[in-house]
Amino acid sequence: QKEVEQDPGPLSVPEGAIVSLNCTYSNSAFQYFMWYRQYSRKGPELLMYTYSSGNKEDGRFTAQVDKSSKYISLFIRDSQPSDSATYLCAMSTTGNQFYFGTGTSLTVIP
Amino acid sequence: KAGVTQTPRYLIKTRGQQVTLSCSPISGHRSVSWYQQTPGQGLQFLFEYFSETQRNKGNFPGRFSGRQFSNSRSEMNVSTLELGDSALYLCASSLIPTGGDQPQHFGDGTRLSIL
Repeated sequence: QKEVEQDPGPLSVPEGAIVSLNCTYSNSAFQYFMWYRQYSRKGPELLMYTYSSGNKEDGRFTAQVDKSSKYISLFIRDSQPSDSATYLCAMSTTGNQFYFGTGTSLTVIP
Repeated sequence: KAGVTQTPRYLIKTRGQQVTLSCSPISGHRSVSWYQQTPGQGLQFLFEYFSETQRNKGNFPGRFSGRQFSNSRSEMNVSTLELGDSALYLCASSLIPTGGDQPQHFGDGTRLSIL
């Protein structure tokens, strides 16, 4: 079983829709949770960084962590064509390496 | 502030050759990690260096090695290249070692193709 599971999609939504991206994990020791956005031919770009459980909002993006269910989510409101990219979740424990999901490919159709 | 810089961006090699990839972290960042990204496996952790010392290592064969210099720049070497080594190699830097309260910031990677 992989440490982090992420549905690869692809996910296709109309412009303006609310997008929900999710990851599940198996290691209950994970405390730090991140979402990265990766455009084609570019490196991953950090979007959200959260510690432990709860919600964090930044503009149109909201990250949620549910440690009891070992489940994290990224919501994108009012999605734009420029949001079309691959979204990667990542997580770690204190003092150890990051574990990444395989990424979800998102296309926002104008 | 300049981001993480990786060189070269693209590289074509043949089986059996060796290759060296370079990474310059964000100024002030002392931790550098290397990842291999492939469509099927996603990002696979190779190793992390902090203060010129390897701190963590992933499950890759000994053909994959790295080092870090006193200015925090890092190099990764792959010897006896195999077809399966074709991938995007990403470097990420952070202020302090990974797993703390500092996230990693990535470069745009080196695309390595093995013929």
